[in-house]
Amino acid sequence: QVQLVESGGGVVQPGRSLRLSCAASGFTFSSYAMHWVRQAPGKGLEWVAVISHDGSNKYYADSVKGRFTISRDNSKNTLYLQMNSLRAEDTAVYYCARGGQQWLVFRWFDPWGQGTLVTVSS
Amino acid sequence: EIVMTQSPATLSVSPGERATLSCRASQSVSSNLAWYQQKPGQAPRLLIYGASTRATGIPARFSGSGSGTEFTLTISSLQSEDFAVYYCQQYNNWYSFGQGTKLEIK
Repeated sequence: QVQLVESGGGVVQPGRSLRLSCAASGFTFSSYAMHWVRQAPGKGLEWVAVISHDGSNKYYADSVKGRFTISRDNSKNTLYLQMNSLRAEDTAVYYCARGGQQWLVFRWFDPWGQGTLVTVSS
Repeated sequence: EIVMTQSPATLSVSPGERATLSCRASQSVSSNLAWYQQKPGQAPRLLIYGASTRATGIPARFSGSGSGTEFTLTISSLQSEDFAVYYCQQYNNWYSFGQGTKLEIK
């Protein structure tokens, strides 16, 4: 079955870096755009970033632009989120989710991974 | 940026009754709207896409309607497993989510 499994979360000090991973299985990973979405404790969902199926196109929310980098390795069926210059307000559960198959043809997110918690604290 | 506003923030309904959740977009999103259900400690689950199409495996008691800026998610005859938080999402112009409606047992 289609499955997404995130990893890499943890506690990190403000200003430091962290890299999240999302391992995909059960579908042709290289055919789909992929997203990161986050959810601060007790809060709603915030879209973070998207990458096209081949990694050639990326787009970010203003809140993370210049600090976060989304990437993928289609040979490993894995999505990444490199998070630099972390701030307390980046504390959240980070989910990866599958998007559509064509860049700029926007689509709903399905499925989602179970999430990984990132806590930014000194 | 398209702002999505959900109402009410909390809805109290008895099991077996009908629940109606609303979502409004700050500008037209056509029918490019999805609904997700999230239970505590779990990831969001897709319920509805295209404003009114049920995702695979979603029971018929869930229905979506609307287009443009006004959307509704209706759950007929609430079951115990339906009490959760519901989010709408527009995907007409990049992506944005509503703040969620918590559906609680009355």
